[in-house]
Amino acid sequence: SAVISQKPSRDICQRGTSLTIQCQVDSQVTMMFWYRQQPGQSLTLIATANQGSEATYESGFVIDKFPISRPNLTFSTLTVSNMSPEDSSIYLCSVRKGDRGYNEQFFGPGTRLTVL
Amino acid sequence: SQKIEQNSEALNIQEGKTATLTCNYTNYSPAYLQWYRQDPGRGPVFLLLIRENEKEKRKERLKVTFDTTLKQSLFHITASQPADSATYLCALANQAGTALIFGKGTTLSVSS
Repeated sequence: SAVISQKPSRDICQRGTSLTIQCQVDSQVTMMFWYRQQPGQSLTLIATANQGSEATYESGFVIDKFPISRPNLTFSTLTVSNMSPEDSSIYLCSVRKGDRGYNEQFFGPGTRLTVL
Repeated sequence: SQKIEQNSEALNIQEGKTATLTCNYTNYSPAYLQWYRQDPGRGPVFLLLIRENEKEKRKERLKVTFDTTLKQSLFHITASQPADSATYLCALANQAGTALIFGKGTTLSVSS
């Protein structure tokens, strides 16, 4: 298994500002992902965080808006840039120990972001 | 594009009954399918994985079926309990096969 912590757990931010969310895992993992879960909606994959190289973004998400870092095998950050109220959501870090897609994914508790 | 549908947003059942949740997918040929449970304010937790060559998988009171012809998975909870109340999510691999894409989920409420 993997135990994941996220900081902050929640935040209220002003429009136009940026917030960086941290994800820390208690063991080395192969794959790290960032998801967004808007109210009443399912999880939407934002990107795969790659160690030592640029993240791989899903359709509809771009690096300028959601820059991601992954300096090592246990840590990643997601920045939500130039925020607007539409960015209000829960942001979840997820990891997978193996590089095979059929391995289970583990999730952090999420960061609840409100943009005013 | 790939699409996952969990066609019941909410399901209410009495304690002791069997809950059956449905997951349908289109534009996919998944090699496996996963089910997760999500409680309010928490991240999803893995429950079961079923591969395309497995018609059924069981774990304690949980049973999952996978019909690749119908493009459908059914998730059953037998002898349901109030503690089973949660949102259940169906998940498949994205096109690159690197990460999971999730359905919207079905919120199950079990009343005593």
